[in-house]
Amino acid sequence: KNEVEQSPQNLTAQEGEFITINCSYSVGISALHWLQQHPGGGIVSLFMLSSGKKKHGRLIATINIQEKHSSLHITASHPRDSAVYICAGNTGNQFYFGTGTSLTVIP
Amino acid sequence: DSGVTQTPKHLITATGQRVTLRCSPRSGDLSVYWYQQSLDQGLQFLIQYYNGEERAKGNILERFSAQQFPDLHSELNLSSLELGDSALYFCASSVGQGLAWGYTFGSGTRLTVV
Repeated sequence: KNEVEQSPQNLTAQEGEFITINCSYSVGISALHWLQQHPGGGIVSLFMLSSGKKKHGRLIATINIQEKHSSLHITASHPRDSAVYICAGNTGNQFYFGTGTSLTVIP
Repeated sequence: DSGVTQTPKHLITATGQRVTLRCSPRSGDLSVYWYQQSLDQGLQFLIQYYNGEERAKGNILERFSAQQFPDLHSELNLSSLELGDSALYFCASSVGQGLAWGYTFGSGTRLTVV
């Protein structure tokens, strides 16, 4: 069993839809990270959070420490949001990665 | 351009061979992290160096080794290559010893072992 589990594995949405990706973790972590990987392969860090909620543009990330659960929300989704979203927890300098959620937003 | 430079971008080599992947961190960053992303296992943390010293070790095989040089660039050496080593290898850098300082990924090296 992975230390970090994501759902769903694949997600297809219509442009404009509200999207939620879920992440659960079983290890103690210092922080929870959401990463975005575009088809070209490059990885960008979206959020790093250890409590509460963070917002950046149309992206919102939340974390519930007691339930060991985090969600990434995308409001008013757009085809350029199509990417793989990866959840990761870090303890110290080690990352534990989820397997990723492949999102496709259709115009 | 993230500021983290990885070379080469693509590498094709035969089983049993040895390759070296290079990572130059963003200016001012002292930590370099190496990750492997394979199709069947997703992203995995391999190893971290901070200012020339090894700081953390993940799922790195004994056939793999890394080092960080005085100019802070890092090299990941992969030897006795097997088909299963085919993957994307990413490095990331951060200014401090920990990820809490923020970090930046390079664009990766795609290794294909044939």
